Amino acid sequence: GESVGLHLPTLSVQEGDNSIINCAYSNSASDYFIWYKQESGKGPQFIIDIRSNMDKRQGQRVTVLLNKTVKHLSLQIAATQPGDSAVYFCAENKNSGYALNFGKGTSLLVTP
Amino acid sequence: EAQVTQNPRYLITVTGKKLTVTCSQNMNHEYMSWYRQDPGLGLRQIYYSMNVEVTDKGDVPEGYKVSRKEKRNFPLILESPSPNQTSLYFCASSPRANEKLFFGSGTQLSVL
Repeated sequence: GESVGLHLPTLSVQEGDNSIINCAYSNSASDYFIWYKQESGKGPQFIIDIRSNMDKRQGQRVTVLLNKTVKHLSLQIAATQPGDSAVYFCAENKNSGYALNFGKGTSLLVTP
Repeated sequence: EAQVTQNPRYLITVTGKKLTVTCSQNMNHEYMSWYRQDPGLGLRQIYYSMNVEVTDKGDVPEGYKVSRKEKRNFPLILESPSPNQTSLYFCASSPRANEKLFFGSGTQLSVL
């Protein structure tokens, strides 16, 4: 999961396995959540989003789960591939609704 | 191709020398924003703009200026750069606030 500090938490998985990346968000009033993927040398890329009136949303090989009771968000990647190696960020909308608040990120390393 | 374009990609400058990082989007988005990304601190919002001629401070606005004279452009201005502004900068846009952001490729700035 994501945490504060200079070193990103790292998740190492084998190619073909499923990955689960966790995120604890801070604002109980947040109603919109997004997962981004950032590859080395590139800008963050949208993966999937979910609004607070949903608990689960599925995309292509990815699923986002939202647990509002414990303010927890997770990203599941099925059949992880080497191209999935990147830093993953969760984001929540702020109180004002005019900006996204980003987590510190989790580094996913996919080994052959 | 729908995209957010930032220039330059890399910039090395000296303390006090005014610089501008340009940002342009071709998606007719109303909302634009600037972030800086630093190790251990994640993505922090500098300024944002809800629409033409409407700008507001984010979390770390000190030492920066922006303008939004046209819908597509949102330049970031450093009037007197200092070494603590050495960072990786991202411009982003979305159709409206509180929707998924599309990011540019980033500008790596070094202030000596």
